[in-house]
Amino acid sequence: DIQMTQSPSSVSASVGDSVTITCRASQDISDWLAWYQQKPGKAPKLLMYYAISLQNWVPSRFRGSGSGTDFTLTISRVQPEDFATYYCQQANSFPLTFGGGTKVEIK
Amino acid sequence: QEQLVESGGGVVQPGRSLRLSCAASGFTFSSYGMHWVRQAPGKGLEWLAVISHDGSNRDYADSVKGRITISRDNSKDTLFLQMNSLRLEDTAIYYCAKTAALSNWFDPWGQGTLVTVSS
Repeated sequence: DIQMTQSPSSVSASVGDSVTITCRASQDISDWLAWYQQKPGKAPKLLMYYAISLQNWVPSRFRGSGSGTDFTLTISRVQPEDFATYYCQQANSFPLTFGGGTKVEIK
Repeated sequence: QEQLVESGGGVVQPGRSLRLSCAASGFTFSSYGMHWVRQAPGKGLEWLAVISHDGSNRDYADSVKGRITISRDNSKDTLFLQMNSLRLEDTAIYYCAKTAALSNWFDPWGQGTLVTVSS
């Protein structure tokens, strides 16, 4: 199974700060990586896929990068609506696996 | 718009069975693979199962293999998850999700249904 390791598990930021979340795969997954945003009490929402492709609803301050085993989600100029938990997920092979999540909190 | 609505959750005793349903609307259900994903209280996401668009192929996470069965009724645009021999650690919110962009990402997700296994 492919293990997905996210870091940090939580990060505190002020509105306007930049936040970077890292996701590492235990083996090469090319660009078969998605990011999800989950707010409390809500289902996750697909944020990004193929590591860098934004869903239509996602503002351009979100950026994904990476391929192979190392990936990054960057939020530039964090806004109040961005405070949530973010998960990475590999879609390279079954079983599909998620990272442990990163909670972005208000400082 | 695409929508998924789960039902069938509740409180169940250890060792008992439960069947979850997921009603789909807003897209051609029979054209897409479908998944179940769960989230234990305060924990992360765990993929459980996938079924192909026509039901001919299925795959399961090792943690639940042999105890769950994913199925679908394309005539009723509905996905199912049959869960047997439930354990305390199966307590979670269970989400159904549609395969997105012809790859194994999940979009959209249903709102989830809570399964509580308790004696």
